[in-house]
Amino acid sequence: QVQLVESGGGVVQPGGSLTLSCGASGFTFSDYAMHWVRQAPGKGLEWVTMIWYDGTNKFYADSVKGRCTISRDNPKNTLYLQMNSLRAEDTALYYCVRGDSSTWRLDNWGQGTLVTVSS
Amino acid sequence: QSALTQPASVSASPGQSITISCTGTTSDVGSYDLVSWYQQHPGKAPKPIIHVVTKRPSGVSNRFSGSKSGNTASLTISGLQAEDEADYYCCSYAGGSTLLFGGGTKLTVL
Repeated sequence: QVQLVESGGGVVQPGGSLTLSCGASGFTFSDYAMHWVRQAPGKGLEWVTMIWYDGTNKFYADSVKGRCTISRDNPKNTLYLQMNSLRAEDTALYYCVRGDSSTWRLDNWGQGTLVTVSS
Repeated sequence: QSALTQPASVSASPGQSITISCTGTTSDVGSYDLVSWYQQHPGKAPKPIIHVVTKRPSGVSNRFSGSKSGNTASLTISGLQAEDEADYYCCSYAGGSTLLFGGGTKLTVL
């Protein structure tokens, strides 16, 4: 079965950096677009970024553009999110999500990794 | 871009039906039949329940249905059950390979 396991979350000071990872298994990772979606504590879902199946194209929400970089290592079945210049409003549970490129459905979600930006 | 607009909460008794609206603009909901809906129970990851406006993934109850008119998409849950109590989020393709979520609706089964 599809499994997505996020790691790398933690507490970081404002202005700091953090890299999240997502290990994928149970499907052919290199066939799928991948997304990061976040959820601030007690708040709703926010789409953050996506990367094409082959890593050639990447797209970002305005809220993180210029501060975050999504990447993937297909031979290692791993998705990454590098976050720089972190702000308090970036505090959230970050979900790694598999996407269906034809329907734009987010069809499999990890359990999330928590990022807390605080001094 | 602003989030799609959903009611903050809805409530109904078991066996009744409810409809959750999701209002966007001509840049997102109104331009693409690429609306999906997600159910999220407390402490759990979201689960897809509707995609491309009306389609249900395998395993999702036929009590869940979706529709769209103009800039507004809707999720209807019929024959409400206690297990349907959860948060529900709509999501639309918004052009430029981006997605936009609604603010979420908390469903309470009385």
